[in-house]
Amino acid sequence: DVKVTQSSRYLVKRTGEKVFLECVQDMDHENMFWYRQDPGLGLRLIYFSYDVKMKEKGDIPEGYSVSREKKERFSLILESASTNQTSMYLCASSLSSGTYFGAGTRLSVL
Amino acid sequence: ELKVEQNPLFLSMQEGKNYTIYCNYSTTSDRLYWYRQDPGKSLESLFVLLSNGAVKQEGRLMASLDTKARLSTLHITAAVHDLSATYFCAVEETSGSRLTFGEGTQLTVNP
Repeated sequence: DVKVTQSSRYLVKRTGEKVFLECVQDMDHENMFWYRQDPGLGLRLIYFSYDVKMKEKGDIPEGYSVSREKKERFSLILESASTNQTSMYLCASSLSSGTYFGAGTRLSVL
Repeated sequence: ELKVEQNPLFLSMQEGKNYTIYCNYSTTSDRLYWYRQDPGKSLESLFVLLSNGAVKQEGRLMASLDTKARLSTLHITAAVHDLSATYFCAVEETSGSRLTFGEGTQLTVNP
């Protein structure tokens, strides 16, 4: 069975903190993605990766970075969290069989 | 730039009724997905449609794809309250690439 695991369901952080959101997939997928979802704005792509150590900017990369040191793990990093990064973050991985989402991380930045 | 439009965005219906959600997209694509999202939860995959004329059914939901018209439909038959959720269509331009999402259709089924 397909599995995309996000390390935290809920996170509360303070402004200025460095935040790591972790995502692991067990399907040997090459492609991984980070989206954020906000009411009225839908789902927007932050970053994606088609291979280890490879990354590409999505539509809203500002304020974020990513790391893909191993094929199964794709990390989203908020270098200095701000209140406008309060959101639901969704990790996904894909291959020819389809795109699968993790359970999501609801991040609140205070 | 690929654009995906869903309509309606809000749908309130009575139990037992039928209705259709529409998803239009602007360029050729490799795959089209339908997802369900419950409040506060992630996206649950419902259907993946690959080719023109594809039709898939699961319970009271049936999805179809017309690649020539760049249109997919999600048909709800004899709605029940448990179907209340937000439904998204998403288009994948090439296999394994990013998804472009529609705005979502918030469905409420009233007893």
